[in-house]
Amino acid sequence: RKEVEQDPGPFNVPEGATVAFNCTYSNSASQSFFWYRQDCRKEPKLLMSVYSSGNEDGRFTAQLNRASQYISLLIRDSKLSDSATYLCVVNAPLFTSGTYKYIFGTGTRLKVLA
Amino acid sequence: GAGVSQTPSNKVTEKGKYVELRCDPISGHTALYWYRQSLGQGPEFLIYFQGTGAADDSGLPNDRFFAVRPEGSVSTLKIQRTERGDSAVYLCASSLIAGSPLHFGNGTRLTVT
Repeated sequence: RKEVEQDPGPFNVPEGATVAFNCTYSNSASQSFFWYRQDCRKEPKLLMSVYSSGNEDGRFTAQLNRASQYISLLIRDSKLSDSATYLCVVNAPLFTSGTYKYIFGTGTRLKVLA
Repeated sequence: GAGVSQTPSNKVTEKGKYVELRCDPISGHTALYWYRQSLGQGPEFLIYFQGTGAADDSGLPNDRFFAVRPEGSVSTLKIQRTERGDSAVYLCASSLIAGSPLHFGNGTRLTVT
């Protein structure tokens, strides 16, 4: 099982639609969680951190479910400019070294259609 | 303020050559990470520095890869005897402390011919 798994998509949705992505992680000791957005041939950019109580930033809502070990991202009122790849990132402990590392999912491609 | 800076942005080299990729993190960020990303994949972890020392180098694929961060700021990723399979985008990221969000540079697109 991969440490962080995402549905690669693509998700093709019309403008104005609501779309949700999930991301599962395998390490129950994972500490912090993030969603990044990556445009074609660009570097990943932080979209939002994911907090235990859930958090919202405009049209974007992130949730964390520790019991089921997944995080989600909900995008409301999709815009053409939301078309991108959304990467789930989990900060998980490395028991062999006592450090933590950030593990990325493969990303979910979203295409918002006019 | 200045973000993470990576140079060169593109590098084309012949198989068997040596390359160095440079990363200048955000000032004050103690944690620095190197990732490699191939088309259609998420970034793959290579190495993590906390200050000057490599806290975790478990992602380096083999001993042709090496990275340094001698003064705790700029880092260099070194690849010896490059192979075509090394072609990818090499991303550097820094964070204020371990566990806080990563900030990425623009990446270096390495092509080995």
